[in-house]
Amino acid sequence: AQKVTQAQTEISVVEKEDVTLDCVYETRDTTYYLFWYKQPPSGELVFLIRRNSFDEQNEISGRYSWNFQKSTSSFNFTITASQVVDSAVYFCALSEGRDDKIIFGKGTRLHILP
Amino acid sequence: GAVVSQHPSRVICKSGTSVKIECRSLDFQATTMFWYRQFPKQSLMLMATSNEGSKATYEQGVEKDKFLINHASLTLSTLTVTSAHPEDSSFYICSARETSGYQETQYFGPGTRLLVL
Repeated sequence: AQKVTQAQTEISVVEKEDVTLDCVYETRDTTYYLFWYKQPPSGELVFLIRRNSFDEQNEISGRYSWNFQKSTSSFNFTITASQVVDSAVYFCALSEGRDDKIIFGKGTRLHILP
Repeated sequence: GAVVSQHPSRVICKSGTSVKIECRSLDFQATTMFWYRQFPKQSLMLMATSNEGSKATYEQGVEKDKFLINHASLTLSTLTVTSAHPEDSSFYICSARETSGYQETQYFGPGTRLLVL
């Protein structure tokens, strides 16, 4: 069975600090997809990234970066120079095979303090 | 990117009534759509997979007679909460799967907040 664990329930950092959100996943499939979504207070999910299991390259997009390590089954997300607008709930998620059901972690609520 | 809409965005109803939520893919066809439920400060939980032209597949613990799903066309899936009760109050989110060549991507709708009084 697939499973996603986000051990950090809530994190608070001061603006401009870097912050890393952890994600550990479990799956028996060799082909799977990992996702990160942002959910601001409005509730609408904002897609951040999708990574397939065969691509272990780390990714950087502006202030966002992702570290995918199959050896530790982790897909961590780092925000550098955090801003107040980054405050939201962040979900890590997993789907197996051909992008079927997406299973979400419990989310990490991130507070960026001015 | 592709757009998925939901209607209504917010609904308040009395206990015992039925509520229908629509999920539409606006610029692509979706043979498969998914329905999620999110209680306050909790994660999204998959309720069911909606397949165009066939019966929905429900996740364990989800009552199919209470949450009726109809995927009547390639761009529309509806979720009807029958005989709603206050414990059904939640945020309902749909997603639609687009297949483009070898790539499959899911796009999420903006969600529907249901409050049952």
